[in-house]
Amino acid sequence: GESVGLHLPTLSVQEGDNSIINCAYSNSASDYFIWYKQESGKGPQFIIDIRSNMDKRQGQRVTVLLNKTVKHLSLQIAATQPGDSAVYFCAENPTGGFKTIFGAGTRLFVKA
Amino acid sequence: GAVVSQHPSRVICKSGTSVKIECRSLDFQATTMFWYRQFPKQSLMLMATSNEGSKATYEQGVEKDKFLINHASLTLSTLTVTSAHPEDSSFYICSAREDRPSSYNSPLHFGNGTRLTVT
Repeated sequence: GESVGLHLPTLSVQEGDNSIINCAYSNSASDYFIWYKQESGKGPQFIIDIRSNMDKRQGQRVTVLLNKTVKHLSLQIAATQPGDSAVYFCAENPTGGFKTIFGAGTRLFVKA
Repeated sequence: GAVVSQHPSRVICKSGTSVKIECRSLDFQATTMFWYRQFPKQSLMLMATSNEGSKATYEQGVEKDKFLINHASLTLSTLTVTSAHPEDSSFYICSAREDRPSSYNSPLHFGNGTRLTVT
């Protein structure tokens, strides 16, 4: 069925290093992708999004890459900080739909 | 901008009772809101799509009579867990998207969730 999955359930990085969180999606009809950050006990917080007509988008310290050929999405965080510690979800919107489907999530640990 | 407020943040209830959770879009209108459920260390699972002025659309496997949804205005949706049981204990999160053209290609704004514990 439709699903968005992640290769790594946990990721531990040293403060100041770059982080890369990966995601594989299965619905080739999806045309909009989003990364969310969720801190403990809170709702998800929007980080960055990308439409299917793009392959890269940059924000402040974050970059999302989209490879439609292999249905792969990644989130790069530059100079990772302790405040970046959280669970990160990729999500997708199938074409024309209002629903947002979430992936399994990756927990990012930032070591001081 | 684009703040979603969810209340209560935590609730403990006894088995057999009902619990109502409110979700409000504070500074935007939302014809459509979404209710998710999240178990510990798991992802968000979409339960239903709440539609202002019409019936909610439930995902497969979600009991509509157990999880009653009412979307009475463009800024308020409620989820009522009826006859709650311990297995209903979970983290319930609502979300909304601003009403605008092609809004489906825009991010959801989430409330901070409701931790429900059924004893």
